[in-house]
Amino acid sequence: NAGVMQNPRHLVRRRGQEARLRCSPMKGHSHVYWYRQLPEEGLKFMVYLQKENIIDESGMPKERFSAEFPKEGPSILRIQQVVRGDSAAYFCASSPNGNQPQHFGDGTRLSIL
Amino acid sequence: GENVEQHPSTLSVQEGDSAVIKCTYSDSASNYFPWYKQELGKGPQLIIDIRSNVGEKKDQRIAVTLNKTAKHFSLHITETQPEDSAVYFCAASGAFGNEKLTFGTGTRLTIIP
Repeated sequence: NAGVMQNPRHLVRRRGQEARLRCSPMKGHSHVYWYRQLPEEGLKFMVYLQKENIIDESGMPKERFSAEFPKEGPSILRIQQVVRGDSAAYFCASSPNGNQPQHFGDGTRLSIL
Repeated sequence: GENVEQHPSTLSVQEGDSAVIKCTYSDSASNYFPWYKQELGKGPQLIIDIRSNVGEKKDQRIAVTLNKTAKHFSLHITETQPEDSAVYFCAASGAFGNEKLTFGTGTRLTIIP
């Protein structure tokens, strides 16, 4: 069984560019969660999605950040007009339903020049 | 919202000894408490979890205890081995429909050979 797949593993962007992070959940999992981890800190919840629906985006910054989980294809976390403070590791987790353990991918490390 | 505190931030133990990591949470509605192990450059790996209807759970050398009255839960690792060295995170989440995980700030565990 393949685990949660995230790509790219590393992403470098210049200030003002757009960053797109992809997450393919485990097979059979229809719930996806995005978390952000700053160096030497714990993970912070950003957004929780099911297929074609955003369930909880309470941790997502109001501007520049968006997320989707289309009927077909991976979940996408999009950051527009990136700034230095967006540099972090972004992790995706999936579960088969909302009451089951979340399993994480190995993350995308985003660096902003 | 939920707040999870984790102690200690660093822990060094001799190989073969036991390690204990403690967490407290603030939201009495939280009912699911997973523990994750994170190795360098990797995503968090679920190692054990416990729900609020259970006071203790054990899986080989790893055990978790939960005290709902005190809003306190702990991870116990016995007979530690060098491969146990990693950063450990506790987390808490609420009832179905509020599944986002709130993480502690992590404990860096070092096993001294």
